[in-house]
Amino acid sequence: ETGVTQSPTHLIKTRGQQVTLRCSSQSGHNTVSWYQQALGQGPQFIFQYYREEENGRGNFPPRFSGLQFPNYSSELNVNALELDDSALYLCASRLQGLGTEAFFGQGTRLTVV
Amino acid sequence: SQQGEEDPQALSIQEGENATMNCSYKTSINNLQWYRQNSGRGLVHLILIRSNEREKHSGRLRVTLDTSKKSSSLLITASRAADTASYFCAGTGANSKLTFGKGITLSVRP
Repeated sequence: ETGVTQSPTHLIKTRGQQVTLRCSSQSGHNTVSWYQQALGQGPQFIFQYYREEENGRGNFPPRFSGLQFPNYSSELNVNALELDDSALYLCASRLQGLGTEAFFGQGTRLTVV
Repeated sequence: SQQGEEDPQALSIQEGENATMNCSYKTSINNLQWYRQNSGRGLVHLILIRSNEREKHSGRLRVTLDTSKKSSSLLITASRAADTASYFCAGTGANSKLTFGKGITLSVRP
């Protein structure tokens, strides 16, 4: 167990809807990153939050947005869902700084129909 | 886009044998991390090796890093059926963003 928890574990949404995924960081970690993992692929970086501000973003459109709260927990919001958004969404937490390990939660499996 | 590549893409070995997996990356990194993933679930952190390190051990795991060749290898000694999983390497670059490859599927036969 990494201490990183994500909810929900599974979710089915209809195309065009909006979804919010949640992540609780491991105790003491102040940085949260979100990744999207399509079937058969490696995870791809969506964005990262440190001290409640986004400080890095991957190649994802603006309809992917996030928040980090004072307790370092985080949300990933996706608007106007598309079928290709179906994937495993992973949250990782770590301490800010070089050379720190990132620990992942169990992920949220999102299916868009 | 994927910037890392693992090799081989799939590996099948007998329990007790050693498993060697290789990873190459394209951009400069601060460190490299290896992860294991079981059946599409979360990633389990295995080991981190810093860019100024060449080799690191943790239990049955041995990781090497060659920054001149932009490559790393993960050796699992005395493999067990429970080691069956997908393995990913991830380079840590700017903003500590992790860049993953497509992964290696390891099957350990009892």
